Amino acid sequence: GAGVSQTPSNKVTEKGKYVELRCDPISGHTALYWYRQSLGQGPEFLIYFQGTGAADDSGLPNDRFFAVRPEGSVSTLKIQRTERGDSAVYLCASSYPGLAGKDTQYFGPGTRLTVL
Amino acid sequence: GDSVTQMEGPVTLSEEAFLTINCTYTATGYPSLFWYVQYPGEGLQLLLKATKADDKGSNKGFEATYRKETTSFHLEKGSVQVSDSAVYFCALGDSGSARQLTFGSGTQLTVLP
Repeated sequence: GAGVSQTPSNKVTEKGKYVELRCDPISGHTALYWYRQSLGQGPEFLIYFQGTGAADDSGLPNDRFFAVRPEGSVSTLKIQRTERGDSAVYLCASSYPGLAGKDTQYFGPGTRLTVL
Repeated sequence: GDSVTQMEGPVTLSEEAFLTINCTYTATGYPSLFWYVQYPGEGLQLLLKATKADDKGSNKGFEATYRKETTSFHLEKGSVQVSDSAVYFCALGDSGSARQLTFGSGTQLTVLP
């Protein structure tokens, strides 16, 4: 079946611009996660959705970042007033949650964001 | 907070060599442990996992055993192939209310023919 998809695969923008990154999870997966991966590092958690609501947004670095999932499926990560330090690969993952921490998260290919 | 410490790379081996990539963790409660792999140009894929102490995860010839006494989850393979060249990430899934994964920094493995 189809895996997690993310669009665009690459996004180049200028400092100060607004960007939106989209994630389409595996059908039937109610949990959705956003992570950010800087070069040479492991992914770092940003936000977790269970259904339509953000259950944990403790990883969002500041108020320029926010994410929505209005119908409990597709999610959009939105970054306002982008900065060069926002350049990274943004990963989306989804899962069908069982016990906390034990469910397998399936990752998308990521969106590489470059802020010039 | 939770953390994962992973053996630094890069690691370069000859084909058919034995592989160990060390991973230790710090966590409260009873976390689950995962190894993810990222092949060149591809996304993260789950390689194996273990959800409780003394469990052994295995897949594609790779194994890792959840050792609570040493807080470790080392990845091993008896005979690596060129196709195993990738970046390997150890990760921890918290057993509390948080559901996110905490990742190590990754280990680049290159296998030479």
